[in-house]
Amino acid sequence: DTGVSQDPRHKITKRGQNVTFRCDPISEHNRLYWYRQTLGQGPEFLTYFQNEAQLEKSRLLSDRFSAERPKGSFSTLEIQRTEQGDSAMYLCASSTETSLSGNTIYFGEGSWLTVV
Amino acid sequence: AQKITQTQPGMFVQEKEAVTLDCTYDTSDPSYGLFWYKQPSSGEMIFLIYQGSYDQQNATEGRYSLNFQKARKSANLVISASQLGDSAMYFCAMRRPSGGYNKLIFGAGTRLAVHP
Repeated sequence: DTGVSQDPRHKITKRGQNVTFRCDPISEHNRLYWYRQTLGQGPEFLTYFQNEAQLEKSRLLSDRFSAERPKGSFSTLEIQRTEQGDSAMYLCASSTETSLSGNTIYFGEGSWLTVV
Repeated sequence: AQKITQTQPGMFVQEKEAVTLDCTYDTSDPSYGLFWYKQPSSGEMIFLIYQGSYDQQNATEGRYSLNFQKARKSANLVISASQLGDSAMYFCAMRRPSGGYNKLIFGAGTRLAVHP
């Protein structure tokens, strides 16, 4: 499978614990994005990487959230001291260089987080 | 501010009939892109169709077409000959026109149910 893959697909954690999600983008895609989606809403932008550089972070990304893309390939999103409000689906997407064509943005299946 | 509005929380359609999902957008930028994504229960965001603000003709992709009315700032998705597998959430999104990358702003979505 050559699509965007995310792991784990589902995670249940107790409030206060740390969790980490991994995203493997499509090979050779230099741009990687994280989005968060809560029930009944559309995805909201969290952060963007171009290669290993994190070029933008949303205000939604509090100091408990950290994302890395150390070698410009896979990325991790860590949430420290989880809160119930962190319960959501975390979507990863990747793309090549900016294009006016929409079909360069590919999403993974998401990682569902439930904080109890 | 840039915003996407989808006013239909849910829609029903009979199999083999056509259905229109509404989307209006708000932006002051002359250059932008509009997308429709399908999200089945598995969670993956599946790209359906794209319309650029300077495109002269409405976009079409198989059974999907986009009714783009620039003056009204609307970009409705038309699905012809609905199939049971079309049952899913549908999101309209707008590409942020500046910044050099594909940051997407999503609407709240419309849940489509196709009945046999």
